[in-house]
Amino acid sequence: AQSVSQHNHHVILSEAASLELGCNYSYGGTVNLFWYVQYPGQHLQLLLKYFSGDPLVKGIKGFEAEFIKSKFSFNLRKPSVQWSDTAEYFCAVNAGDFNKFYFGSGTKLNVKP
Amino acid sequence: SQTIHQWPATLVQPVGSPLSLECTVEGTSNPNLYWYRQAAGRGLQLLFYSVGIGQISSEVPQNLSASRPQDRQFILSSKKLLLSDSGFYLCAWNSGVGNSPLHFGNGTRLTVT
Repeated sequence: AQSVSQHNHHVILSEAASLELGCNYSYGGTVNLFWYVQYPGQHLQLLLKYFSGDPLVKGIKGFEAEFIKSKFSFNLRKPSVQWSDTAEYFCAVNAGDFNKFYFGSGTKLNVKP
Repeated sequence: SQTIHQWPATLVQPVGSPLSLECTVEGTSNPNLYWYRQAAGRGLQLLFYSVGIGQISSEVPQNLSASRPQDRQFILSSKKLLLSDSGFYLCAWNSGVGNSPLHFGNGTRLTVT
């Protein structure tokens, strides 16, 4: 099975600070990569996705992620976070059997107003 | 538009009792369907997925089973619940075409007492 690692389990930032959440995966072939967000009390929502082409992908709410194949990474970034970004963020990958999606352990982001 | 329904939202069951969680998708046909379990700090664990009626793939050997009696219906079951089955269960779907992302239901919080 594929593995997805999110090394930051809990991040606390002040509003307007920059954000970068790490995601690494283990698979050497073609991958599809995703970031999902779960706001308090809500269901998981897709933030952005990468399939091919430009390795810098932009998602909703000002988020972006960069696919670096050589580092097996797909880090999530936002230049300036807001209190409303407080949520849990999950990285996901599917590869090989593209019917299967594997998720990281999640990163809880707490933005202080 | 497509919607996914998952019920019940919460469930408290005694050890040894049976379980049936239901998930239905509307507005699409022949979706891929998934069951995940979300545990705090451990992310989402893929339990089962289905690419068609009667086709079930199990990711992790466990006390649970899944069935897909109809195209857009996915059921998670157990004959006898264990304490370790407690958790948050999520149903998801995608179109199964190309690189379509997963869309999640609101989840079921199961507590086994």
